[in-house]
Amino acid sequence: GQNIDQPTEMTATEGAIVQINCTYQTSGFNGLFWYQQHAGEAPTFLSYNVLDGLEEKGRFSSFLSRSKGYSYLLLKELQMKDSASYLCAVLNDYKLSFGAGTTVTVRA
Amino acid sequence: DTAVSQTPKYLVTQMGNDKSIKCEQNLGHDTMYWYKQDSKKFLKIMFSYNNKELIINETVPNRFSPKSPDKAHLNLHINSLELGDSAVYFCASSQGASVSTDTQYFGPGTRLTVL
Repeated sequence: GQNIDQPTEMTATEGAIVQINCTYQTSGFNGLFWYQQHAGEAPTFLSYNVLDGLEEKGRFSSFLSRSKGYSYLLLKELQMKDSASYLCAVLNDYKLSFGAGTTVTVRA
Repeated sequence: DTAVSQTPKYLVTQMGNDKSIKCEQNLGHDTMYWYKQDSKKFLKIMFSYNNKELIINETVPNRFSPKSPDKAHLNLHINSLELGDSAVYFCASSQGASVSTDTQYFGPGTRLTVL
């Protein structure tokens, strides 16, 4: 099994930057995903990291350090529509295991 | 053009009943999954099918039986429903074999409430 930890909630102001951390303990690591889930909706794919380093995709970036079992999702220029739950998911032995999610609230 | 669709969206039923949830994907993917998201928002894998064959079967009561008539469909049948089965059930699909790192695409979810 694996432990996946991420903060429960974060609040930030529109236009600001927020960094959501995720730590994990696993064997057979095959990569780490970040998903966004708005309330009452399906998770949607944001990013996938399997090598160490930063992957940038528009306002969203994701970082991975395999040796530290650590990833973060960086949301820049926050918009109200970014209010959602962000799920860290680790692919372990080719099964996807999710953290509990971090609820981000963006305030005007 | 919904990529991964599920029916019904909401399902309310009594304890002890048997119910089914249907899932269809029109992405041409080879692998489909069922996840359960409980009230604490944890998403947990239940089953995975690749080309109609069961690949992953997590520790799920045998009251839950997935059926895949073809690779575009993966239905979930639940017998003798219990209160603890209340959750949101998500279907997902990915392109390659389940032993892969392909992105999974999720359906809209089915909110099951057992009274």
